[in-house]
Amino acid sequence: EAQVTQNPRYLITVTGKKLTVTCSQNMNHEYMSWYRQDPGLGLRQIYYSMNVEVTDKGDVPEGYKVSRKEKRNFPLILESPSPNQTSLYFCASSLFEGPVQFYTFGSGTRLTVV
Amino acid sequence: KQEVTQIPAALSVPEGENLVLNCSFTDSAIYNLQWFRQDPGKGLTSLLLIQSSQREQTSGRLNASLDKSSGRSTLYIAASQPGDSATYLCAVRNGQGGKLIFGQGTELSVKP
Repeated sequence: EAQVTQNPRYLITVTGKKLTVTCSQNMNHEYMSWYRQDPGLGLRQIYYSMNVEVTDKGDVPEGYKVSRKEKRNFPLILESPSPNQTSLYFCASSLFEGPVQFYTFGSGTRLTVV
Repeated sequence: KQEVTQIPAALSVPEGENLVLNCSFTDSAIYNLQWFRQDPGKGLTSLLLIQSSQREQTSGRLNASLDKSSGRSTLYIAASQPGDSATYLCAVRNGQGGKLIFGQGTELSVKP
């Protein structure tokens, strides 16, 4: 089944403790992206990647890092989480070229930083 | 800067009604527009994608239209059912960078 898999689904952590949210897709998509969703602010892009070893900042990149060493994986790293990073996070992937670029989203990771 | 607006923010209808959700965007230079469904606490499910050169797309009881020149899209849901209750999001993809820019969503409740 074509899908984007995020782990973990739920995470509670303390301020300053480094964490990684993993994201993997099995559709051979070039383009991958991370979004956060907050009440009243909607979905905002954090980082994106157009292909292996190519990453760039989205609208709200502060406090986050990403890497793209393999085409299928795009982990989101919070080096020193803070309470304002409490949010619902989504990983997404799509083809970048061609006539149809459906975005496929993961199920989300609900992060709470205390 | 592209901005996407969805009206209304919430909608409650009785089962069986036909309904229309609205999406508007400020910059007509879009690559495509996609409608998503989000159930509470869940991920986004893609419903329909309309390329910038297309006027509409249909899938079952759903029909999405696009008028690029006026910066508008509508999602038409025929014969609504309680299982259609969810938040519906529209998002435009600008050509550069592939980023999706989302509206705030319309929360739909279909009452039995």
